[in-house]
Amino acid sequence: AQRVTQPEKLLSVFKGAPVELKCNYSYSGSPELFWYVQYSRQRLQLLLRHISRESIKGFTADLNKGETSFHLKKPFAQEEDSAMYYCALSGQGNTDKLIFGTGTRLQVFP
Amino acid sequence: NAGVMQNPRHLVRRRGQEARLRCSPVKGHSHVYWYRQLPEEGLKFMVYLQKENIIDESGMPKERFSAEFPKEGPSILRIQQVVRGDSAAYFCASSSQGGRGEQFFGPGTRLTVL
Repeated sequence: AQRVTQPEKLLSVFKGAPVELKCNYSYSGSPELFWYVQYSRQRLQLLLRHISRESIKGFTADLNKGETSFHLKKPFAQEEDSAMYYCALSGQGNTDKLIFGTGTRLQVFP
Repeated sequence: NAGVMQNPRHLVRRRGQEARLRCSPVKGHSHVYWYRQLPEEGLKFMVYLQKENIIDESGMPKERFSAEFPKEGPSILRIQQVVRGDSAAYFCASSSQGGRGEQFFGPGTRLTVL
């Protein structure tokens, strides 16, 4: 079964601390993995995708096929990083539908 | 570019009524997706449409739910005879291409069934 698991509902850190939001997936094949972010009162937006291998707003995520994980990391959290983060996958085929995890709320305290 | 527009933003219906949710994709986008988010859950795929065609409706409930994306005008998600369990946030996303193109999301419509 295709599934995305985000084990933490809430992650609270202080400004300047490292952040790791966990994401594990279950998919038989070669999925594409994404992180979407929703800031307060804003719409869901793409943060990064594994194929682009970019660092966006200081965040990185590496696809680990052996552990079927795609954890999101940032070495030094900022208050403006506080938001809801969703991990998602898109399977093979041409329908593009995204399978989302339940999300992790990141709170960064000053 | 106003992005994906959804209306209404909030919709209240009584049990048994019909709900119509509208989605205007990003200008030039011909691919539309509908997702539903129940409380405390992630977004769940419902249906994928291209202009005038339903491509994948594997996430749509078999009864009472339908979707369309006409040649002209917005995409419509229609829920007939709503029940309390239909209360959720419904999100629309659009993309310019198939094959894992980036999806741009609308602000969502929050449906409350009394």
